[in-house]
Amino acid sequence: ETGVTQTPRHLVMGMTNKKSLKCEQHLGHNAMYWYKQSAKKPLELMFVYSLEERVENNSVPSRFSPECPNSSHLFLHLHTLQPEDSALYLCASSPGTGTGAGGELFFGEGSRLTVL
Amino acid sequence: KQEVTQIPAALSVPEGENLVLNCSFTDSAIYNLQWFRQDPGKGLTSLLLIQSSQREQTSGRLNASLDKSSGRSTLYIAASQPGDSATYLCAVSADRGSTLGRLYFGRGTQLTVWP
Repeated sequence: ETGVTQTPRHLVMGMTNKKSLKCEQHLGHNAMYWYKQSAKKPLELMFVYSLEERVENNSVPSRFSPECPNSSHLFLHLHTLQPEDSALYLCASSPGTGTGAGGELFFGEGSRLTVL
Repeated sequence: KQEVTQIPAALSVPEGENLVLNCSFTDSAIYNLQWFRQDPGKGLTSLLLIQSSQREQTSGRLNASLDKSSGRSTLYIAASQPGDSATYLCAVSADRGSTLGRLYFGRGTQLTVWP
């Protein structure tokens, strides 16, 4: 198993659909993250979970809903998205908790989302 | 707000050359700096992590330096190979007290090494 696994790798959805992105880490880390990479901007932090508790919601619209049932799994639930939400969504994990850097971040391969 | 700039945006070189990729950041109060590699359509692979107290890190043909006071880092790639072709991203982590795991990324340097 690779360190951080994301599924699906590609997703096409209409604006009225509901879908979910899944992330699983096999590194024994305590923190997990969702980052967004769009064509016109640098990578942006969306959500942070530390020991299954959300510690950051970086002004992300409510049509994105994260869920972290345990320290190994992270979901991003998607509903009524807009075409401008099309991007590569990257999951990451790191060893640390609390404030500060949290240690080195390890990323998954990403889920390429296209909203029609 | 922390701003990270990477120069050049793109670089195309013949195989065997030694390369220097540059990264600058506006706020020197960083906790660490990380260099990543991203292949087309793929996720990010961590290359090197430099803590704010360190001056450089080395891994194989890669060497990264950090001058925190001047807000600069360089990634040196020795004896480049076609397999090094990828986008290289620089990211800084804010100092303690900031949000866990918040990295500020540059836009990357797209490197092409031709045979």
